[in-house]
Amino acid sequence: EAGVAQSPRYKIIEKRQSVAFWCNPISGHATLYWYQQILGQGPKLLIQFQNNGVVDDSQLPKDRFSAERLKGVDSTLKIQPAKLEDSAVYLCASSPKAGGSTGELFFGEGSRLTVL
Amino acid sequence: SQKIEQNSEALNIQEGKTATLTCNYTNYSPAYLQWYRQDPGRGPVFLLLIRENEKEKRKERLKVTFDTTLKQSLFHITASQPADSATYLCALGGSWGKLQFGAGTQVVVTP
Repeated sequence: EAGVAQSPRYKIIEKRQSVAFWCNPISGHATLYWYQQILGQGPKLLIQFQNNGVVDDSQLPKDRFSAERLKGVDSTLKIQPAKLEDSAVYLCASSPKAGGSTGELFFGEGSRLTVL
Repeated sequence: SQKIEQNSEALNIQEGKTATLTCNYTNYSPAYLQWYRQDPGRGPVFLLLIRENEKEKRKERLKVTFDTTLKQSLFHITASQPADSATYLCALGGSWGKLQFGAGTQVVVTP
């Protein structure tokens, strides 16, 4: 079974530029998550989708971050304009179960963003 | 305020010994707790889940305990091996819907 695919693995941009990350979850997984992991910290949830609807985006900085999940499969996370403090690893995860259940999360390898 | 605390100092342990990691939390009432392993440059990988009504869970050389009175989970790796070297994250889940992760503890197993 293929795992969660993310791209690009690495991205370096100047502040105020824009960047987009892509995620393809495990086939059949209804729930998709985007996490931000700053060096030395645990993952922090940015947004959770159930199929193509948003379940939780309470910690998403909506003035600069946006995310969509078209047709309930792939998802993109965009940052525009980027700030220095956005330097982090952006992890995509998926789960076959609905949000709020006890199901394990399957994570991708992450996209490491460096903002200069 | 809500906190999840894991030892920030790396745990250095000799091969064959038991590694014990702690996850303490405050101002949470988790329904379950999960443990993940994260290798450098990789995403976390799920290891174990324990529910609030369970005292202990085992999986091969791993053991997790959950004490809701002490607000603490302990994670044990018995007969540790160099391949067990990684960062281990605890994550709390409950009625609020989303997993809340701790910062993780790095384990270094030396031969």
